[in-house]
Amino acid sequence: EVQLVESGGGLSQSGGSLRLSCTASGLTVSSNYMSWVRHTPGKGLEWVSVIYSGGSTYYADSVKGRFTISRDISKNTLYLQMNSLRAEDTAVCYCARFVGHCVSSSCYGYFDLWGRGTLVTVSS
Amino acid sequence: EIVLTQSPGTLSLSPGERATLSCRASQSVSSSYLVWYQQKLGRAPRLLIYGASSRATGIPDRFSGSGSGTDFTLTISRLEPEDFAVYYCQQYGSSLTFGGGTKVEIK
Repeated sequence: EVQLVESGGGLSQSGGSLRLSCTASGLTVSSNYMSWVRHTPGKGLEWVSVIYSGGSTYYADSVKGRFTISRDISKNTLYLQMNSLRAEDTAVCYCARFVGHCVSSSCYGYFDLWGRGTLVTVSS
Repeated sequence: EIVLTQSPGTLSLSPGERATLSCRASQSVSSSYLVWYQQKLGRAPRLLIYGASSRATGIPDRFSGSGSGTDFTLTISRLEPEDFAVYYCQQYGSSLTFGGGTKVEIK
């Protein structure tokens, strides 16, 4: 069974950092387009970042310069390093496989496999 | 940015009934690039429909999607107990945006 399991969420102060992890089973992270999607109280669901199998990365304008997506091939794990956190980054963050393509700060596609999510809370 | 408005916010129905969920876009969604997801509490979202009307792998045929342009519909022909959940639409014709969701609850 293909499964994505997120971890690393928690409470951070405004301006702080967190690193999220997404461990995959039944799927090779480095062979797929992988992404992070979040569900915030204010904006609902929004895509955050995508990493291509070739390594190219894309970010929504709201997180560009603050968040970094990466992967560890040996651990078959996807990461999201979240720096300079703001209260509006409070969200359930999901790891998902992305079907589509991206150009600059825009992605065109959908998500065909998701994890259960991990909660990130940023206090001001 | 295309804004997707889902209605109703909550749909109260009994098992066996038909559910009709609406997703309206603020601009035309090109090539019917619209998908539907199901999410149960505490569970991972699940892709149901892509391309407005194509069922994803393993999705029962009681789920169907239709529509084009700015108006899209997800229909569940006969609700099963496991279908009570929140449903989201998402467009990917102009970047990608999500609707706010419709909760289908047991009446």
